[in-house]
Amino acid sequence: AQSVSQHNHHVILSEAASLELGCNYSYGGTVNLFWYVQYPGQHLQLLLKYFSGDPLVKGIKGFEAEFIKSKFSFNLRKPSVQWSDTAEYFCAVNAYNTDKLIFGTGTRLQVFP
Amino acid sequence: DADVTQTPRNRITKTGKRIMLECSQTKGHDRMYWYRQDPGLGLRLIYYSFDVKDINKGEISDGYSVSRQAQAKFSLSLESAIPNQTALYFCATSERGTGGNQPQHFGDGTRLSIL
Repeated sequence: AQSVSQHNHHVILSEAASLELGCNYSYGGTVNLFWYVQYPGQHLQLLLKYFSGDPLVKGIKGFEAEFIKSKFSFNLRKPSVQWSDTAEYFCAVNAYNTDKLIFGTGTRLQVFP
Repeated sequence: DADVTQTPRNRITKTGKRIMLECSQTKGHDRMYWYRQDPGLGLRLIYYSFDVKDINKGEISDGYSVSRQAQAKFSLSLESAIPNQTALYFCATSERGTGGNQPQHFGDGTRLSIL
């Protein structure tokens, strides 16, 4: 069965620090990969997605993620975080042709001014 | 973004009651999903539907049922609510894509508390 692991459960940073959130999945076939963000009290919003092509994908608000197939990883990065990035971040994966997303348990990011 | 609307937004009820959560969408998407979110567990899929005549169980369907009344409406029912069904419930939609590559769009959630 597919699974998604987000090893960082809670990350605390100061503004302007760099961010990297880990995401690893278990599935040997072709996958579609997503990062979603949930700001306090809001619904999930898509940050970025990877289906094929360039493994380095850029999303909204300066976020990017790199798909490393050999490591089954899709880590999220941002060079300089802002207080407004405080939120919970979810990695999600679906196997090609399934439409069923498997979510990681989420990483809570707190950014202090 | 009111494309995916969930009602009610909050509900407090008692053990044993029947509860229905409604979801409607104006995005014209074929696919609709119900998830529950629990702290530390992320989102888990309860049921999903790829069109009006299609209903599929997700990861944690026990204790829940759904109805896809129309393309735009997908409701979730708890026949006899129990306290461990207290959670935040999200409805989502997606277009039919190529190989499942379409992102899902989420409603604002229903916070359900069962006493």
